[in-house]
Amino acid sequence: TQTVSQSDAHVTVFEGDSVELRCNYSYGGSIYLSWYIQHHGRGLQFLLKYYSGNPVVQGVNGFEAEFSKSDSSFHLRKASVHWSDSAVYFCAVSAYNNAGAKLTFGGGTRLTVRP
Amino acid sequence: DPKIIQKPKYLVAVTGSEKILICEQYLGHNAMYWYRQSAKKPLEFMFSYSYQKLMDNQTASSRFQPQSSKKNHLDLQITALKPDDSATYFCASSQHWGDEQYFGPGTRLTVL
Repeated sequence: TQTVSQSDAHVTVFEGDSVELRCNYSYGGSIYLSWYIQHHGRGLQFLLKYYSGNPVVQGVNGFEAEFSKSDSSFHLRKASVHWSDSAVYFCAVSAYNNAGAKLTFGGGTRLTVRP
Repeated sequence: DPKIIQKPKYLVAVTGSEKILICEQYLGHNAMYWYRQSAKKPLEFMFSYSYQKLMDNQTASSRFQPQSSKKNHLDLQITALKPDDSATYFCASSQHWGDEQYFGPGTRLTVL
């Protein structure tokens, strides 16, 4: 069974600040991890994913995430946020093999960027 | 242009009725999925299909039946609707089963 925990339900920062959104997971096998963004009333947009190689992965719009096996984490970061980054961010885990393709999502973190 | 189309965007139904949620993707993907998002629970996986074949079903109730008439279609039929079925239902697709998934805009279902 795979589980995903996003410890912060809400994060508020000012435009131009850096931000880190936390994600921790538990799963016994090989996995791939991803982040999605959901603007109000919209579907989810894929940001980035990791399954092997360089633990720091780059995504769209200046987002990056870092995988840590020792911490079972996959935190999302952005160096300088824009007001348009205000949205709900979801971390997701999936089994990296043919046994399963379902995404298991965390509860989401609502990011509010103040001007 | 939207690449994953879900129809309708909003749907209101009465308890006990039946509805079909439509999903079409024009990304040339071979795998399609359904997820549900409600106020009470985080995003939940429901079904996955690959080349029109059911790969995984995590929905406990048989009232939810996916229907794939074409490779790029995966509709969701829900029978005997209950108020607890009220949620936004998202369709997603991926190039191959297990690849990153791309989501449609969702159908928001309200059951009265």
